[in-house]
Amino acid sequence: GAVVSQHPSRVICKSGTSVKIECRSLDFQATTMFWYRQFPKQSLMLMATSNEGSKATYEQGVEKDKFLINHASLTLSTLTVTSAHPEDSSFYICSARDRRLAGGYNEQFFGPGTRLTVL
Amino acid sequence: GEDVEQSLFLSVREGDSSVINCTYTDSSSTYLYWYKQEPGAGLQLLTYIFSNMDMKQDQRLTVLLNKKDKHLSLRIADTQTGDSAIYFCAERAAGNKLTFGGGTRVLVKP
Repeated sequence: GAVVSQHPSRVICKSGTSVKIECRSLDFQATTMFWYRQFPKQSLMLMATSNEGSKATYEQGVEKDKFLINHASLTLSTLTVTSAHPEDSSFYICSARDRRLAGGYNEQFFGPGTRLTVL
Repeated sequence: GEDVEQSLFLSVREGDSSVINCTYTDSSSTYLYWYKQEPGAGLQLLTYIFSNMDMKQDQRLTVLLNKKDKHLSLRIADTQTGDSAIYFCAERAAGNKLTFGGGTRVLVKP
């Protein structure tokens, strides 16, 4: 089946630093990847949609200058949290759309998530 | 706008059936999904239903969809301790974006 990986799985950083999270589709090409954020005991909130070779589309209320998204290839999207602060601590999950399955029932496959803790 | 709601918590005894309910508001939903999330992990797709279906059964899982009332349910038969997790319903509507409910925490007691 389609596999999506995220790296790192956990990261702890100091306030003010930047953190990069990678999302990779391992055995398929993904023209579109999605980035979600999940606070403890809450649901997933879509942050942005990342399209290969073009600018990401951000959801309302998400600062594009703070959460930089780059989707430079069909298998890799990165999310960089710039000047991280404690309130950015969260569980970040990506998903990838298999271009071969577009329009089918399960075209998004989820990564295992990255837990970010900002001290 | 899109809004998906679920009850927060369900406690069930091992061997009993679990029923998790979900309501949604977007009538243009094409697919509705149930995902399972175990602690510290990503989402695992359990099952899905196309919007023109009323019911779908997949082994221990039964999904019921009442499109008129915009109500979705997931029944897990013979619930096991390994079924303890958070269950999210999600709808896929215009733009192919997924909107998730708040999640139902299911606790299976031996």
